[in-house]
Amino acid sequence: TQLLEQSPQFLSIQEGENLTVYCNSSSVFSSLQWYRQEPGEGPVLLVTVVTGGEVKKLKRLTFQFGDARKDSSLHITAAQTGDTGLYLCAGYNAGNNRKLIWGLGTSLAVNP
Amino acid sequence: NAGVTQTPKFQVLKTGQSMTLQCAQDMNHNSMYWYRQDPGMGLRLIYYSASEGTTDKGEVPNGYNVSRLNKREFSLRLESAAPSQTSVYFCASLLQGRTPLHFGNGTRLTVT
Repeated sequence: TQLLEQSPQFLSIQEGENLTVYCNSSSVFSSLQWYRQEPGEGPVLLVTVVTGGEVKKLKRLTFQFGDARKDSSLHITAAQTGDTGLYLCAGYNAGNNRKLIWGLGTSLAVNP
Repeated sequence: NAGVTQTPKFQVLKTGQSMTLQCAQDMNHNSMYWYRQDPGMGLRLIYYSASEGTTDKGEVPNGYNVSRLNKREFSLRLESAAPSQTSVYFCASLLQGRTPLHFGNGTRLTVT
């Protein structure tokens, strides 16, 4: 059972467009992380959200943690070709700090 | 500033052969992890070591063994490789608790 559902699975857009990636669950998470993975490399952390309703910004990327801590979103404004990659969400279930639960990822292609 | 170093980067094995994947981190992290990443399956935890001297099974441990040699090094051994073990293997480490995972750049393994 996949506890973190990411959507969409694939996304292909033109440079300059906006996009949103979603990470949803029926379970409560004590924290949620977003990673980006480029081809041939390991995932790299973008942000961690901890508090329900929290919004964090990283340049053109905006991350939001749902009020109930069951979902999160990543919004990219004016996408650039350098944003191309696999975006992964991962979270710790409330009460379990040992193992991250991973979404399957959203593969983003930003075309020039 | 190496972070997490994995060797080798690529490996081709015949069915039944054995090999050890090496991982070392220089960040004085307590916990280390081995994941495999397959298309459509996401990142799946094979084994982890919460601290030096301890190891535990993850979601998909069958066919693998691990050794936490010291605080820096965590190796993954395939005793008798099978085609189903064709995958990209990632080693990761974290300091403690819910701090971010730091990944190596992966080992691409093909078993024929």
